[in-house]
Amino acid sequence: DSGVTQTPKHLITATGQRVTLRCSPRSGDLSVYWYQQSLDQGLQFLIQYYNGEERAKGNILERFSAQQFPDLHSELNLSSLELGDSALYFCASSVGGVPDTQYFGPGTRLTVL
Amino acid sequence: DAKTTQPNSMESNEEEPVHLPCNHSTISGTDYIHWYRQLPSQGPEYVIHGLTSNVNNRMASLAIAEDRKSSTLILHRATLRDAAVYYCILRGNNQAGTALIFGKGTTLSVSS
Repeated sequence: DSGVTQTPKHLITATGQRVTLRCSPRSGDLSVYWYQQSLDQGLQFLIQYYNGEERAKGNILERFSAQQFPDLHSELNLSSLELGDSALYFCASSVGGVPDTQYFGPGTRLTVL
Repeated sequence: DAKTTQPNSMESNEEEPVHLPCNHSTISGTDYIHWYRQLPSQGPEYVIHGLTSNVNNRMASLAIAEDRKSSTLILHRATLRDAAVYYCILRGNNQAGTALIFGKGTTLSVSS
């Protein structure tokens, strides 16, 4: 158990819909990262938050957005969903510093029909 | 970013040692070598990291070549539970607090 929790575990929805994925980082970790894993693209970084502020963006689509709340949990919002958005979405957290080990949650499997 | 090269797949038998290679010929002096693994249907998990010297922890050992252009993750006695994708990732000490860049990794199969 990494200490990072993600809900829901599975999500099935239709094209055009909007969903919200939730992540609670390990206690004390200020950084939250979101990654997407699809069969053809592998693990790809989407976005990072640090103590409530956006820190870095990766290959995140404009239809996707995220935020980190004062209690440090984070939500990833995916809208106007397309079939190609079907993937595993992982959240990771870290405390920072070197080596900055990241701890990953169990993921949310999103299926868009 | 410095790149790593890993074999696509490797096979092992249970209770035998496994040596997973990683080449990183363009590594810089401040790059740490990190290994993560991803078990089926789970998120990636940290395995080990090192800079210059060999490292041991309860999960594995990391052997780093003297010129640091390659490294080897060693699982001393593979178990079925070690079947996973293993990722070798370089991170500069100025990259603390940044995202991990995953390659394709090595898929390790373990047979009983």
